[in-house]
Amino acid sequence: DAGVIQSPRHEVTEMGQEVTLRCKPISGHNSLFWYRQTMMRGLELLIYFNNNVPIDDSGMPEDRFSAKMPNASFSTLKIQPSEPRDSAVYFCASSSRTSGSLDTQYFGPGTRLTVL
Amino acid sequence: AQTVTQSQPEMSVQEAETVTLSCTYDTSENNYYLFWYKQPPSRQMILVIRQEAYKQQNATENRFSVNFQKAAKSFSLKISDSQLGDTAMYFCAFIDFGNEKLTFGTGTRLTIIP
Repeated sequence: DAGVIQSPRHEVTEMGQEVTLRCKPISGHNSLFWYRQTMMRGLELLIYFNNNVPIDDSGMPEDRFSAKMPNASFSTLKIQPSEPRDSAVYFCASSSRTSGSLDTQYFGPGTRLTVL
Repeated sequence: AQTVTQSQPEMSVQEAETVTLSCTYDTSENNYYLFWYKQPPSRQMILVIRQEAYKQQNATENRFSVNFQKAAKSFSLKISDSQLGDTAMYFCAFIDFGNEKLTFGTGTRLTIIP
């Protein structure tokens, strides 16, 4: 089975440009998570969805960041306008959450974003 | 708020030796899961092992095993017969039934020396 798929794997852009990161979760999983990893702050949860609905976006750093999940098999994380401090590795993860249980989160390969 | 502490920023061992990575956590919850994830230079986050708090038996996965001490809130990872491919960052992580947020430790960089 295919794991979590993210694209692009690498993105280099200039300050002020719009950046869109994409994620396809594992088929059948109903929870999707966006994380950011930096040297200074480690791994941070930005937002997560359950059944395509955003549940907690308290980790989104500011209004420049937005995320959508239009259907069960696709999500985007958009940064507009991008700034150099947004440079990081962005991970998408998915899991299969049912009432009264937890499941393991499986991570995609990540997108390394560099904002010049 | 839950916290996860990994007190060993870096470790190195000879190939074929056994190594133990430490992790402690703080929570007021009773039902939760603990994980060890591995991040090799490729940066992919790979699940190594999972432990449910309600299970008394320590989880094992081939050469990987944990020592879960619930009262002490300790969750260490033991790697037996270490291999060069075990070289990676290892992250301890926690999640509770109250929400789906994974809380990560700061990681331990493990190097296996040939």
